[in-house]
Amino acid sequence: EVQLAESGGGLVQPGGSLRLACAASGFTFSSYEMNWVRQAPGKGLEWVSYINSGGSTIYYAASVKGRFTISRDNAKNSLYLQMNSLRAEDTAIYYCVRAGADGILFDYWGQGTLVTVSS
Amino acid sequence: QSVLTQPPSVSEAPRQRVTISCSGSSSNIGNNVVNWYQQIPGKAPKLLIYYDDLLPSGVSDRFSGSKSGTSASLAISGLQSEDEADYYCAVWDDRLNVVIFGGGTKLTVL
Repeated sequence: EVQLAESGGGLVQPGGSLRLACAASGFTFSSYEMNWVRQAPGKGLEWVSYINSGGSTIYYAASVKGRFTISRDNAKNSLYLQMNSLRAEDTAIYYCVRAGADGILFDYWGQGTLVTVSS
Repeated sequence: QSVLTQPPSVSEAPRQRVTISCSGSSSNIGNNVVNWYQQIPGKAPKLLIYYDDLLPSGVSDRFSGSKSGTSASLAISGLQSEDEADYYCAVWDDRLNVVIFGGGTKLTVL
């Protein structure tokens, strides 16, 4: 069974940093592209970042580019999101999402971790 | 405001059929496949329909997808109370070079 378990969320002050982690199991992690997708409270879904299976190709949404860094450790079956210079508008549930064959088909989602940016 | 337009809400009685529309443009729906996600309140989204009209394993055949031109639709037949959820369409946008989501549609089963 595919499982994705996010951790690392919490309350952080504006301008602060947080590192999210996603532990993957039930599939060959190193063979899959991965994404982070977020959802602000009461709002819709927003794609945040993509990383290919080997970690050599990375994309970011314009809203987080230059502040967030996606990475992965295939030996540890883990995906990460380093978030710096956090803003109030980054407050959201962050989902770790596995991508299907085309990289943009989000076929499995974690339960999410809540990040709250507030003073 | 999303590039993909969905009605904010729809409602229908149990056992009836409802459709949810997703309107886009030539740079997204008109040139790429559409995926649909279901999000039950308090839960993570789940893949419901992929590549316009395909059902993932385990998804009820009461759900179906279609696309015509720059619009896509999700249909749910034989409505059940468990279908109450938010539904999102998603597609790659060639101009923005990102995956974009519709604003979401809240389905209420009366």
